[in-house]
Amino acid sequence: KQEVTQIPAALSVPEGENLVLNCSFTDSAIYNLQWFRQDPGKGLTSLLLIQSSQREQTSGRLNASLDKSSGRSTLYIAASQPGDSATYLCAVRGGATNKLIFGTGTLLAVQP
Amino acid sequence: DTGVSQDPRHKITKRGQNVTFRCDPISEHNRLYWYRQTLGQGPEFLTYFQNEAQLEKSRLLSDRFSAERPKGSFSTLEIQRTEQGDSAMYLCASSRGDGATEAFFGQGTRLTVV
Repeated sequence: KQEVTQIPAALSVPEGENLVLNCSFTDSAIYNLQWFRQDPGKGLTSLLLIQSSQREQTSGRLNASLDKSSGRSTLYIAASQPGDSATYLCAVRGGATNKLIFGTGTLLAVQP
Repeated sequence: DTGVSQDPRHKITKRGQNVTFRCDPISEHNRLYWYRQTLGQGPEFLTYFQNEAQLEKSRLLSDRFSAERPKGSFSTLEIQRTEQGDSAMYLCASSRGDGATEAFFGQGTRLTVV
């Protein structure tokens, strides 16, 4: 059974700092991994999608990496801003199920 | 492309009442998913459709829950005889028909059972 873990559960950083969020998964047989952002009381906004054959994806100040063999992904946020404050969720899709399996998220607070 | 739309955004109901939520996926997305999220947790899978066919249901989906996607477009999720433990955010997502595509989520329906 696929399990997804995110570390740390919460993170507080001063504005301008670069930071890394971690995601690990137990079954490496995945189609892809997706990072989402969730603001309080809102739905999920897709940030980056990494296919199983890819090593990384970049969008603006965000860079996500994938090491399928070790079951790990990282989300790197450069030059953090207060507007980046949110919960960040990673999810893997794989096997016969076609469903996304989520971690519990990292709550990020960027202090001005 | 107007994104995934969910209605209502908020629902307060008394215990024992039935509620129904609607999800309109991105047009031409033939996969549609329902998830439930409680405070401080990641979304948990409930069920998914490929076109009008319901292909998988989670054990979380008790007999009081039913989902439909009658014409392969919008979907409804009904909860009968609501319980306080049903209070959660109900999220809908859609994607194209192959396993490698990006999933897009709606804004969710926040259900409060009092």
